Amino acid sequence: GEDVEQSLFLSVREGDSSVINCTYTDSSSTYLYWYKQEPGAGLQLLTYIFSNMDMKQDQRLTVLLNKKDKHLSLRIADTQTGDSAIYFCAERFDNTDKLIFGTGTRLQVFP
Amino acid sequence: DTAVSQTPKYLVTQMGNDKSIKCEQNLGHDTMYWYKQDSKKFLKIMFSYNNKELIINETVPNRFSPKSPDKAHLNLHINSLELGDSAVYFCASSQDELGGETQYFGPGTRLLVL
Repeated sequence: GEDVEQSLFLSVREGDSSVINCTYTDSSSTYLYWYKQEPGAGLQLLTYIFSNMDMKQDQRLTVLLNKKDKHLSLRIADTQTGDSAIYFCAERFDNTDKLIFGTGTRLQVFP
Repeated sequence: DTAVSQTPKYLVTQMGNDKSIKCEQNLGHDTMYWYKQDSKKFLKIMFSYNNKELIINETVPNRFSPKSPDKAHLNLHINSLELGDSAVYFCASSQDELGGETQYFGPGTRLLVL
């Protein structure tokens, strides 16, 4: 199957950490991605991780990959109101150009 | 200096009409894509082209026809528009490379069929 699952909503207080989770299906996926979509806007690539890595850190963003459980997470440290958006994980399906997107997690940051 | 651009940004039209959405990328990428995002924000690939050749063609009605006049352009033509075609359509592009073939997205075209 090609289902990539995410929880639909996450609400955090400004300054706290946010963790957005994703479960994917294709164990042969070589790359997994996180995209951010602000209201009325397109998709912005945040980061990606290669499947032979367990963790990747990029400033406030930390990506964790558990290949055994096919679980990907995105941690945002010191979450700001500007981080409020929908976050999509995506896997490259079967080493093709095809990206399978998750259902998206709507992150709301309140003061 | 928009990397991936789409026109129009908004498109409101009546059922049965034929319309086109244009996409251009100035990144020198080899592959371009069309995605559809429905009202629940689900994103699904429709087509991909590599160097003007169709590579991916998901189960999309044949009312949708992509056209790639050159490597930098991938247009989407839709015949006999239906209410269910209302969605946001995103164009994207990527380059064959070892770094993950990251796809870069355009700003989207919001299509509303009345």
